[in-house]
Amino acid sequence: KNEVEQSPQNLTAQEGEFITINCSYSVGISALHWLQQHPGGGIVSLFMLSSGKKKHGRLIATINIQEKHSSLHITASHPRDSAVYICAVRSTGGGADGLTFGKGTHLIIQP
Amino acid sequence: NAGVTQTPKFQVLKTGQSMTLQCAQDMNHEYMSWYRQDPGMGLRLIHYSVGAGITDQGEVPNGYNVSRSTTEDFPLRLLSAAPSQTSVYFCASSSGGFWAFTEAFFGQGTRLTVV
Repeated sequence: KNEVEQSPQNLTAQEGEFITINCSYSVGISALHWLQQHPGGGIVSLFMLSSGKKKHGRLIATINIQEKHSSLHITASHPRDSAVYICAVRSTGGGADGLTFGKGTHLIIQP
Repeated sequence: NAGVTQTPKFQVLKTGQSMTLQCAQDMNHEYMSWYRQDPGMGLRLIHYSVGAGITDQGEVPNGYNVSRSTTEDFPLRLLSAAPSQTSVYFCASSSGGFWAFTEAFFGQGTRLTVV
C-alpha cells in the first residue's frame, strides 16, 4: 500500500504570502490528485497530474515522478484560500480503486 | 447541473438503528464511490461501483451495504449502526474508472453521529 505524507499538517500565513504544500508518496503512481476541502466540508477536485506542472489561476501544482513528490503552490494567498488541501495518489498496482489519500494540510490565511 | 447530490447533511442515530445515505449524480458517470473521513486519517474507501449492477468492496466495507440499480443512484446502507461508524461520509463520481485520469466530483458530505 502506498504511503502518502503531506507537510505541513497545519499552516497559518498572512494574506499575500506564497504558500507551498508538499506531498510525498512511497511507491510508483499513475496519477496524483490535489483536492480542496472547504470549511463547510465540501470537497472540490483542483488538479490531476501524471507529470510536469499545471496552473489554474493562482494555484500551481507540480510533480516529480522520480523523486515521488508533488507540491501545490498558492500565489498571492487570500483568506478565501483557507481550507484543507488533500493529496491523493493512484498507485500503479493498487487494489480496490488504488487510491490512497493523505491526511490533509489545514491552511489558514489571515487578513 | 446539480452534480453530486448527497443527503442528508447531518444525522444522529442510536446504536442498532439502520439508515440509508442517498447519493445521486446527473452527469451520467459510470464510476461512483463512498468514502468515510475520520479525524487524523485520510479518506478511506467503503464501497465503489463501476456501473449499474456492479459493486465491490473498498478498504473498510464492514457494516455497510450498497447497491447500484441505476447509473444515477448509489445509496449506502448502514445495517445496524455502531458508534465506530460516527464519521463524515462522502459520495464521489467520475466518468473515468477509479477517477485516475479524470476529475472527481464529490457530494457535500454527511456528518453522522451514532450514540
